[in-house]
Amino acid sequence: NAGVMQNPRHLVRRRGQEARLRCSPMKGHSHVYWYRQLPEEGLKFMVYLQKENIIDESGMPKERFSAEFPKEGPSILRIQQVVRGDSAAYFCASSPPISGTGGEAFFGQGTRLTVV
Amino acid sequence: AQTVTQSQPEMSVQEAETVTLSCTYDTSESDYYLFWYKQPPSRQMILVIRQEAYKQQNATENRFSVNFQKAAKSFSLKISDSQLGDAAMYFCAYRSWSGGSNYKLTFGKGTLLTVNP
Repeated sequence: NAGVMQNPRHLVRRRGQEARLRCSPMKGHSHVYWYRQLPEEGLKFMVYLQKENIIDESGMPKERFSAEFPKEGPSILRIQQVVRGDSAAYFCASSPPISGTGGEAFFGQGTRLTVV
Repeated sequence: AQTVTQSQPEMSVQEAETVTLSCTYDTSESDYYLFWYKQPPSRQMILVIRQEAYKQQNATENRFSVNFQKAAKSFSLKISDSQLGDAAMYFCAYRSWSGGSNYKLTFGKGTLLTVNP
């Protein structure tokens, strides 16, 4: 059973370009979370999605950032018109359908975005 | 909102010795989960150990154990018989017990552990 797959591992974009980060959850997992890790910082929650639904986007910047988790295919975190401050490691985590108090989250290896 | 504080930016330990990493948190909830994650240079986030707040018994996983003090809101990680492969950044994290949108993890800033041979 493959783990959470993120690609690309490294992404370089020039200022003003778009960045698309992909996350394929573990098999059987229908919940996806995106986190951002700035240098010297812990991970900060961005968005929580279930298939075709955004459940909690309280950590997402109001502009330029969007996320989706379509019925088919991976979850996508999209950053439009990137700026240098977007440079960070972006992590995806997934968990199975949550019943009661379960639903352990497993992380991918992250995508390191560098904006030049 | 919950907060997690790790007051030790860096720690070092001799191989085979024991080290304790500190974590405190703030919450008004009575039921929740606490976690320690390890992040080696590969950047992979690896779950080390988890604790349910309703359990009085401290969690243990092989050489890793926690000291969970609910009243003090303290959750320290003890690594016994430290190995070179334990060198990594360690993050303490909090997660609410309830469902809905409260499944997000709140992380501390991390403690960088160096293991000296």
